[in-house]
Amino acid sequence: DAGVIQSPRHEVTEMGQEVTLRCKPISGHNSLFWYRQTMMRGLELLIYFNNNVPIDDSGMPEDRFSAKMPNASFSTLKIQPSEPRDSAVYFCASNRDRSNQPQHFGDGTRLSIL
Amino acid sequence: ELKVEQNPLFLSMQEGKNYTIYCNYSTTSDRLYWYRQDPGKSLESLFVLLSNGAVKQEGRLMASLDTKARLSTLHITAAVHDLSATYFCAVRGTSGSRLTFGEGTQLTVNP
Repeated sequence: DAGVIQSPRHEVTEMGQEVTLRCKPISGHNSLFWYRQTMMRGLELLIYFNNNVPIDDSGMPEDRFSAKMPNASFSTLKIQPSEPRDSAVYFCASNRDRSNQPQHFGDGTRLSIL
Repeated sequence: ELKVEQNPLFLSMQEGKNYTIYCNYSTTSDRLYWYRQDPGKSLESLFVLLSNGAVKQEGRLMASLDTKARLSTLHITAAVHDLSATYFCAVRGTSGSRLTFGEGTQLTVNP
């Protein structure tokens, strides 16, 4: 079984640039989650989708962040413009809603904003 | 707001010893999860605990849940170096799919 697939694995860019992170959930999973992990703040939920619809975006830091899920097999997290404080590891996770399954995490995108 | 606290946050132990990691949470929950994260890697699911008194075991790790005390424990028996990692508990509230994660416990097992 293919797990959650994220791309790119690493991204280094200059502040002010637009950054797009991509995620393909596990086939058949209808819930998708975006997390950010830093040493200072730990693991934070940014947003999650059920059946492609955003349900809770209260963790999105500010308007520079946006997320979309145009179909069941693809989601993006965009930062525009990026700032050095956005440097973190961004994880995508998926599971079946209303099940007891754990969330399955992708390998993450390590983002560095210079 | 659901809060999840783990202790200790850092744990250094010798091989062969036993120890327990604690996870407290602040409001009613119906599901609790334990994850493992190796440095620079993703999070791997270890246990799913669904009811009061639930106990799950895998190798040298055993997890339990007391929903009345809002407490879960992860017990390590006869630790080995391969168990060195960061362990997270995560709690799901009674509505929605959101998980709230603890800060993580960084475990180092020394030979």
